Amino acid sequence: DQQVKQNSPSLSVQEGRISILNCDYTNSMFDYFLWYKKYPAEGPTFLISISSIKDKNEDGRFTVFLNKSAKHLSLHIVPSQPGDSAVYFCAAINNAGNMLTFGGGTRLMVKP
Amino acid sequence: KAGVTQTPRYLIKTRGQQVTLSCSPISGHRSVSWYQQTPGQGLQFLFEYFSETQRNKGNFPGRFSGRQFSNSRSEMNVSTLELGDSALYLCASSLDVQDRTAHGYTFGSGTRLTVV
Repeated sequence: DQQVKQNSPSLSVQEGRISILNCDYTNSMFDYFLWYKKYPAEGPTFLISISSIKDKNEDGRFTVFLNKSAKHLSLHIVPSQPGDSAVYFCAAINNAGNMLTFGGGTRLMVKP
Repeated sequence: KAGVTQTPRYLIKTRGQQVTLSCSPISGHRSVSWYQQTPGQGLQFLFEYFSETQRNKGNFPGRFSGRQFSNSRSEMNVSTLELGDSALYLCASSLDVQDRTAHGYTFGSGTRLTVV
């Protein structure tokens, strides 16, 4: 049973436009949600996180929105740049700091 | 400071063999976790070690095992390799629980294991 799901395996966006990556979860016990970016042959790199008590967190071009009632979060990248092309993973963890649970990833392609 | 170091980067093994992968966490990090990444299954949690003790274990067969040393370095071992074990094995470290919930783990670049 996948507790964290990313239903879109891929997304293509024009440079300068907004990229919106979505993630759904089923476990209401998650306390933190994180986004990671991964290039081929490299480990995932932490991007941004949000606590379950917040509904928005912003860091430069990256903003994460959390809708707890819908058990849904999204990552917005504005403006998108070709260097943002990578696989993005959504992940969740509880307050006890137990294992990070990952979604299946979404491959973002930003076209120049 | 140095990041998470995994060795070797690439490995080719034959079915039935065993393999040991190594991970050196960021200095001062006491928690080390291992993940398996495959194209069809995404990132799957294997196990986590903290201060030489296994704290959590994922849903993998007993052929997958690990350990952590007093200097926090960790190894994972896979015995009786199967073709399906071909994957990128990622190691991640964190300082403590609070650090992990706010910033997640710091991942190494992984070991690409190919079983033929």
